[in-house]
Amino acid sequence: NAGVMQNPRHLVRRRGQEARLRCSPMKGHSHVYWYRQLPEEGLKFMVYLQKENIIDESGMPKERFSAEFPKEGPSILRIQQVVRGDSAAYFCASSPQPGLAGETQYFGPGTRLLVL
Amino acid sequence: QKEVEQNSGPLSVPEGAIASLNCTYSDRVSQSFFWYRQYSGKSPELIMSIYSNGDKEDGRFTAQLNKASQYVSLLIRDSQPSDSATYLCAVLFGNEKLTFGTGTRLTIIP
Repeated sequence: NAGVMQNPRHLVRRRGQEARLRCSPMKGHSHVYWYRQLPEEGLKFMVYLQKENIIDESGMPKERFSAEFPKEGPSILRIQQVVRGDSAAYFCASSPQPGLAGETQYFGPGTRLLVL
Repeated sequence: QKEVEQNSGPLSVPEGAIASLNCTYSDRVSQSFFWYRQYSGKSPELIMSIYSNGDKEDGRFTAQLNKASQYVSLLIRDSQPSDSATYLCAVLFGNEKLTFGTGTRLTIIP
């Protein structure tokens, strides 16, 4: 049973370019969460999605960042016109159902984004 | 503002001793609590989850929850060098969003 998959594992972009990060949840999971971890800092929630719906994007910057989870295919976190401050590890997590006791979020390996 | 607070450490513990990691949280309605372990450069890995007051044991790990005091802890018995990592406390607020503490860096000294 494959875990949460993320690609690419490492991504290098120059300032002003676009970064697209992909996440495939665990089999049977329909809820996806994106987190960002800046160097030497904790994980910060960005966005929570179900298939074709954004449920909570309260942690996502209002500009340049967007996320989707289409009916078919992986969830995508898109960062337009990247800046050096976007350099971080971006983790995706999935769960089968939200919030019920015992339903845990499982994390993918992360994408390390470096903006030059 | 919902918050999860941890002592950032570093915490150094001799091999074979008990490591005690603590976490406090600010919202009384939280029902689900998690401890994740994160090795340097790796993703968080679930260690323990706890939902009811009291202790929950799994091998060398024991999670303790006190909702009245808004306090959750993780004890690691017979600490091993492989336990050296950053331990993240996470609280599920509003049934959807995990809020993480900044993590406690634990070093087990051989």
